[in-house]
Amino acid sequence: QKEVEQDPGPLSVPEGAIVSLNCTYSNSAFQYFMWYRQYSRKGPELLMYTYSSGNKEDGRFTAQVDKSSKYISLFIRDSQPSDSATYLCAMSALTGGGNKLTFGTGTQLKVEL
Amino acid sequence: GAGVSQSPSNKVTEKGKDVELRCDPISGHTALYWYRQSLGQGLEFLIYFQGNSAPDKSGLPSDRFSAERTGGSVSTLTIQRTQQEDSAVYLCASSPDRGQPEAFFGQGTRLTVV
Repeated sequence: QKEVEQDPGPLSVPEGAIVSLNCTYSNSAFQYFMWYRQYSRKGPELLMYTYSSGNKEDGRFTAQVDKSSKYISLFIRDSQPSDSATYLCAMSALTGGGNKLTFGTGTQLKVEL
Repeated sequence: GAGVSQSPSNKVTEKGKDVELRCDPISGHTALYWYRQSLGQGLEFLIYFQGNSAPDKSGLPSDRFSAERTGGSVSTLTIQRTQQEDSAVYLCASSPDRGQPEAFFGQGTRLTVV
């Protein structure tokens, strides 16, 4: 079993929809939870990160972490065609070994006009 | 530079040849990471450099893989005697220091072994 599980999709939604992306994990040592967006043939771009449990909002994006359930979510409100990309969750324990990230496999999202 | 720079962006090599991939991190960032992204797989950690400390090589898949970081800045990932299973996108990331969770990625080098 992988440390981080993520539904690969693809997920197709109409423009303006609310999108929910999720990951589950098994390592209770993870403290930082991140979401990256990756466009085709580009490097991952950090969207936002949260520390421990709770919510964080940035514009149309909201990240949620439930450590008791080992479950994290990214919500995208008023989705746009430009949001079409692969979304990767990533987690780290941020130990003395630095910020070694463990990634999900990514969810491919398509927002259609 | 403004971001993490990687070169080449694409590399096609014959099986058995050696390849070198280069990463130029964001200026001032002390932490540098290499990851590998294979088709249908998530990003896989390879190696981590922090300042002048010994690197964390725990993710390197075999002894054909090595990396160095000169002067605390530019890093080179070398793959010797390439195999077809080495075909992947190799991504480099940097962070301001070991205590910062944000990692900023380059565009990657797409390696194809034929």
